Amino acid sequence: GIQVEQSPPDLILQEGANSTLRCNFSDSVNNLQWFHQNPWGQLINLFYIPSGTKQNGRLSATTVATERYSLLYISSSQTTDSGVYFCAVERGGADGLTFGKGTHLIIQP
Amino acid sequence: DTAVSQTPKYLVTQMGNDKSIKCEQNLGHDTMYWYKQDSKKFLKIMFSYNNKELIINETVPNRFSPKSPDKAHLNLHINSLELGDSAVYFCASSQDGLLPVGEQYFGPGTRLTVT
Repeated sequence: GIQVEQSPPDLILQEGANSTLRCNFSDSVNNLQWFHQNPWGQLINLFYIPSGTKQNGRLSATTVATERYSLLYISSSQTTDSGVYFCAVERGGADGLTFGKGTHLIIQP
Repeated sequence: DTAVSQTPKYLVTQMGNDKSIKCEQNLGHDTMYWYKQDSKKFLKIMFSYNNKELIINETVPNRFSPKSPDKAHLNLHINSLELGDSAVYFCASSQDGLLPVGEQYFGPGTRLTVT
C-alpha cells in the first residue's frame, strides 16, 4: 500500500512564528487532504489538495503531485493552532484514506 | 446541522460484551467509511461502503461487522469486545468515492473503552 511520511513529528513554537509541515507519499494519488486534530479530538478539514496551491487565511498548502509531496504552511501561529496535523492520501475506488503519523504542534504564548 | 454524526460519543463496556456505534451523514454522499484511531493516534481505514455495498474490508477481525441500511447510515457492530478494541472510532463520508475521488468529512468520533 501507499506509504505516507510526515515531518517533523513534533514542533514547538512561540506564538507569532511561522511553520512548514511536510508530507511525502510513495505513489500517485487522486486525493490528498490535510486535517487538524484539535485537543478535543475533532478532525477538522483544512485542505483538499491533490495538486496545486490553496490558501485559507493564515494557512496555505501546496501539493507537487509529480514529486509526491505536499507542504502545509502556518503563518503567525496562535495558541489555538496547537494539536496534531495529519496528511492523508487516497488512490481512489473508495480505498479510504491512508494517514501519516502526524505532526504534533505546540504553540506557546 | 451536523454533517456527519455519530452516537454514542463515549462508550464504556466490559470484555465479552457486544456493542454498536451508529453513524449518519446528511451530505447526500455515496460513500461512507469507518476508521480506527489507536492510543498512539494512528488512524487506519477499517471499512468503506459505496451505495450500501461493501468495497473495502481491511484486515479487521470478523467480530467487527458494518451494516448500511441506506446510503445515509453506516453502523458498526462489535461482538465479544476485547481490551485491544479500546480506541476512537471515526465515521466519514465522501461524494463519488470511486473515481473521481471526493473530499472526506469526518464525524466527531466515538471513544470506546473496554474494561
